[in-house]
Amino acid sequence: KAGVTQTPRYLIKTRGQQVTLSCSPISGHRSVSWYQQTPGQGLQFLFEYFSETQRNKGNFPGRFSGRQFSNSRSEMNVSTLELGDSALYLCASSLAEGNYGYTFGSGTRLTVV
Amino acid sequence: AQSVAQPEDQVNVAEGNPLTVKCTYSVSGNPYLFWYVQYPNRGLQFLLKYITGDNLVKGSYGFEAEFNKSQTSFHLKKPSALVSDSALYFCAVSSPYSTLTFGKGTMLLVSP
Repeated sequence: KAGVTQTPRYLIKTRGQQVTLSCSPISGHRSVSWYQQTPGQGLQFLFEYFSETQRNKGNFPGRFSGRQFSNSRSEMNVSTLELGDSALYLCASSLAEGNYGYTFGSGTRLTVV
Repeated sequence: AQSVAQPEDQVNVAEGNPLTVKCTYSVSGNPYLFWYVQYPNRGLQFLLKYITGDNLVKGSYGFEAEFNKSQTSFHLKKPSALVSDSALYFCAVSSPYSTLTFGKGTMLLVSP
């Protein structure tokens, strides 16, 4: 059974640009969450989607947005990139809403220059 | 608001010795508790979870954790450490229909 797939694995963008990251959950999983990991702040929750609806949102500016498609695949978008957005972005999927354990992808390493 | 504390930034242990990585939590209601491990440039790998039932939870790679409700702790343990266990370990807490909140992580270094 395939795991959580995140694309791309690495990305370099220029300040002011926008970026879209993709996450394909485990087959049958309907909940997808996104986390930002930085050395200074650790793992911070961005948002969670279930059945194409955003269920929870973390404390991030509106430049960070996401969506989920009918096949449960999810994308997150960051507009007007800042240097501080450089991070490892992790996607996690779970079978259902509620928390019985998430499976994480390998992440997308975003570097903003 | 829920929170997790991992009081040690780093734990050093010799190969073959027992290891403990500490975690305490704060949450309203019944906690769901998790341990994840992260190797360099990789995502988080699930080790074990406590949802309900037996307080001693056994997980992957010989790891186990004990849920202690009175001390609000969920320490990760392994009887005999391996050099390959060296990695970053995260404790996380959630509750029904809430998100996962992670601790800051503890770097485990196992020396040969």
